[in-house]
Amino acid sequence: GEQVEQRPPHLSVREGDSAVITCTYTDPNSYYFFWYKQEPGASLQLLMKVFSSTEINEGQGFTVLLNKKDKRLSLNLTAAHPGDSAAYFCAVWTNAYKVIFGKGTHLHVLP
Amino acid sequence: ETAVFQTPNYHVTQVGNEVSFNCKQTLGHDTMYWYKQDSKKLLKIMFSYNNKQLIVNETVPRRFSPQSSDKAHLNLRIKSVEPEDSAVYLCASSRGQDYTFGSGTRLLVI
Repeated sequence: GEQVEQRPPHLSVREGDSAVITCTYTDPNSYYFFWYKQEPGASLQLLMKVFSSTEINEGQGFTVLLNKKDKRLSLNLTAAHPGDSAAYFCAVWTNAYKVIFGKGTHLHVLP
Repeated sequence: ETAVFQTPNYHVTQVGNEVSFNCKQTLGHDTMYWYKQDSKKLLKIMFSYNNKQLIVNETVPRRFSPQSSDKAHLNLRIKSVEPEDSAVYLCASSRGQDYTFGSGTRLLVI
């Protein structure tokens, strides 16, 4: 079945620096990809949903890149601020009833 | 307000007790899920229900059982809780690729 590897598990950056989180997946038939943010004690908040035909997706303060050839999905926070400190999860959707989550990245942005 | 609603937010109980968590979605979605999130934040799917039919049961212990009265409700019962059941239980619903998560029920087993 589909495997999703997320790296790094922990990431500390200084305010203003960029932060990059990467996921690799195995199923070439995967065609929807998600990034979620989870603040402490809160639920998962959808940051972006990416369809497989779109390689670069711009959000507010972040960019999501999809490399289908390498089966890699990345989240790039361009200028991190303390409010970005949270756990981030990638997720890969291959059929209607199964979404596979990465193991998460704990991001800590130092002021 | 349309969302996924979970109750209770927190629950503390002793080993061996029975607990039940409720989940309701007002989004008109067709599929609902229960996920378990452990202390390391790992997310694991437990159950998936589509129009009251169980779709996925990821080999969770038999003391866990989902209960659905209609496609807007999916409850979770744990017959005899164990210490390793301490976790956050997240309910979600979806239509196609659009997923919405509830705020979670945090269970502590002492």
